[in-house]
Amino acid sequence: GQQLNQSPQSMFIQEGEDVSMNCTSSSIFNTWLWYKQDPGEGPVLLIALYKAGELTSNGRLTAQFGITRKDSFLNISASIPSDVGIYFCAGQYGGGFKTIFGAGTRLFVKA
Amino acid sequence: EAQVTQNPRYLITVTGKKLTVTCSQNMNHEYMSWYRQDPGLGLRQIYYSMNVEVTDKGDVPEGYKVSRKEKRNFPLILESPSPNQTSLYFCASSPGGDGYTFGSGTRLTVV
Repeated sequence: GQQLNQSPQSMFIQEGEDVSMNCTSSSIFNTWLWYKQDPGEGPVLLIALYKAGELTSNGRLTAQFGITRKDSFLNISASIPSDVGIYFCAGQYGGGFKTIFGAGTRLFVKA
Repeated sequence: EAQVTQNPRYLITVTGKKLTVTCSQNMNHEYMSWYRQDPGLGLRQIYYSMNVEVTDKGDVPEGYKVSRKEKRNFPLILESPSPNQTSLYFCASSPGGDGYTFGSGTRLTVV
């Protein structure tokens, strides 16, 4: 079946640093989504990408839909303590929007 | 407030005792979906629904049932729960099938 490889698994960074994480697959996706999950809560949508090559920003977050449609990355610039959490990529395929999630990147930010 | 409401938040049950986790959304969304989250595995889609009376299997449907008799409700039914269904479950809804709004989760323990 479809699988997403998300890396890195975890990151420990200093406040103010930039962060980059990515997801790759051997399968093609129609849509890429990036979510953030805080402890005890459900994931919250950060960015949605719909076209190969698309580059989209949301404040300090920037994400890109890979040109091959098999990968995506998320960058966070000038990290702050509230960026702490788990970031998930998700790829959608098929007409009914079946969704596959990556295993997540756990981000720790030291003030 | 626009939201997805799941009940209960926590549930401990015994093997084989049928249970239902309810999910309701007040955003008039067409799409709804159930996921389970296990450590190191990210979120895996159980079932999703594109509209009333239209449902389809996700990646891990075995042992689960769903129904969509009304647009706002999408209950998850475990006819005969087993310990390997111990997990954190999320319900989510979406207007068009892409970016989902998630509920706060139901932590289920089957002993």
